[in-house]
Amino acid sequence: DAGVTQSPTHLIKTRGQQVTLRCSPKSGHDTVSWYQQALGQGPQFIFQYYEEEERQRGNFPDRFSGHQFPNYSSELNVNALLLGDSALYLCASSLGRNSGNTIYFGEGSWLTVV
Amino acid sequence: AQTVTQSQPEMSVQEAETVTLSCTYDTSESDYYLFWYKQPPSRQMILVIRQEAYKQQNATENRFSVNFQKAAKSFSLKISDSQLGDAAMYFCAYRSPGGSQGNLIFGKGTKLSVKP
Repeated sequence: DAGVTQSPTHLIKTRGQQVTLRCSPKSGHDTVSWYQQALGQGPQFIFQYYEEEERQRGNFPDRFSGHQFPNYSSELNVNALLLGDSALYLCASSLGRNSGNTIYFGEGSWLTVV
Repeated sequence: AQTVTQSQPEMSVQEAETVTLSCTYDTSESDYYLFWYKQPPSRQMILVIRQEAYKQQNATENRFSVNFQKAAKSFSLKISDSQLGDAAMYFCAYRSPGGSQGNLIFGKGTKLSVKP
């Protein structure tokens, strides 16, 4: 049973560029969330997708956008990259949006902005 | 807004001994979920243990157990018989009830070292 998979694992971008990160949820899961984890910090919630719509959003600017596809996979897009966007981006999935459901995480995509 | 505080940036334990990691949280909700996640160098967040606030009994998972003090808003993790593989970052996390609040709120983490 494949867990949450993310790609790419590492990437380096220049300030002002755009980046797309991808996530495939754990088999059978339909809800995908994205988190940003800066060095030495805990993850911070970016947004959650369910039924191909953004259902909840954290305190992140509109430069951060996402998408969920019919097969439940998801993308995170960040435009006009800033140095402060350098972080580990974690994708998490669950079955449904019930808060009691277990959330599974991928290994993350490490983004460096230079 | 809910907050989670982990006051121990780093902890160290001798192999086979017991260590307790602290976590406090702030909320006005009466029902919620609390979690401890482990993040090894591989970076994948792994669920260690979870606690439903409405359950008075402390959760246990093999060598891992919690001390949940709802009135004090405290949720500590005890690791017994520590093993080298327990070395990792440990994050305490809070989650509101209800499907509309699906996000986890994390503390800043505690780095646990295990000495052989």
